[in-house]
Amino acid sequence: DAGITQSPRHKVTETGTPVTLRCHQTENHRYMYWYRQDPGHGLRLIHYSYGVKDTDKGEVSDGYSVSRSKTEDFLLTLESATSSQTSVYFCAISEAYNEQFFGPGTRLTVL
Amino acid sequence: DQQVKQNSPSLSVQEGRISILNCDYTNSMFDYFLWYKKYPAEGPTFLISISSIKDKNEDGRFTVFLNKSAKHLSLHIVPSQPGDSAVYFCAATGGGGSNYKLTFGKGTLLTVNP
Repeated sequence: DAGITQSPRHKVTETGTPVTLRCHQTENHRYMYWYRQDPGHGLRLIHYSYGVKDTDKGEVSDGYSVSRSKTEDFLLTLESATSSQTSVYFCAISEAYNEQFFGPGTRLTVL
Repeated sequence: DQQVKQNSPSLSVQEGRISILNCDYTNSMFDYFLWYKKYPAEGPTFLISISSIKDKNEDGRFTVFLNKSAKHLSLHIVPSQPGDSAVYFCAATGGGGSNYKLTFGKGTLLTVNP
């Protein structure tokens, strides 16, 4: 299995609070991604990175920001969490442009 | 606009029989297709892929078929086992500078009954 960890694994927070999720890889892969999974929607790309300090938006980026200051870490920040951001968040990595390897996920509940 | 469609939210089959999961796509620029399997409370895991230059790829009990003219692919699992019960996601990529992004379908929940 690819070395990908996500922290925290579970988080409950209140509306309006900032939240940061961390993805850490030990594979030295160039590309990193953040997805959210919701019932009836499958996996939707939030943001992705194609190198240190190089990031771009996915299809559901509103309300989220990301940062990548090191190859191994990709942070997802919810500046002011809303109930609509309650979801399961997955980080993924890839080297080639095809297969992505996923982390175990973070379950976020916004009350 | 949903570019990758899995029209069956769920599928139930008997152990030992064939499971066929279907996927349709609309973007003709897609040139590489993948299937992922996901168990509850775990991340998706890569299962099998196929390039658009092929029409079939086989790996053990899993075979993916691609029909480019119909923009359709299918995953066959033979024989199906209870441990195959999971959500299966179809994904596609391709088409220029953004070809490192995957577009996923909504998934099909496969249940294999003993």
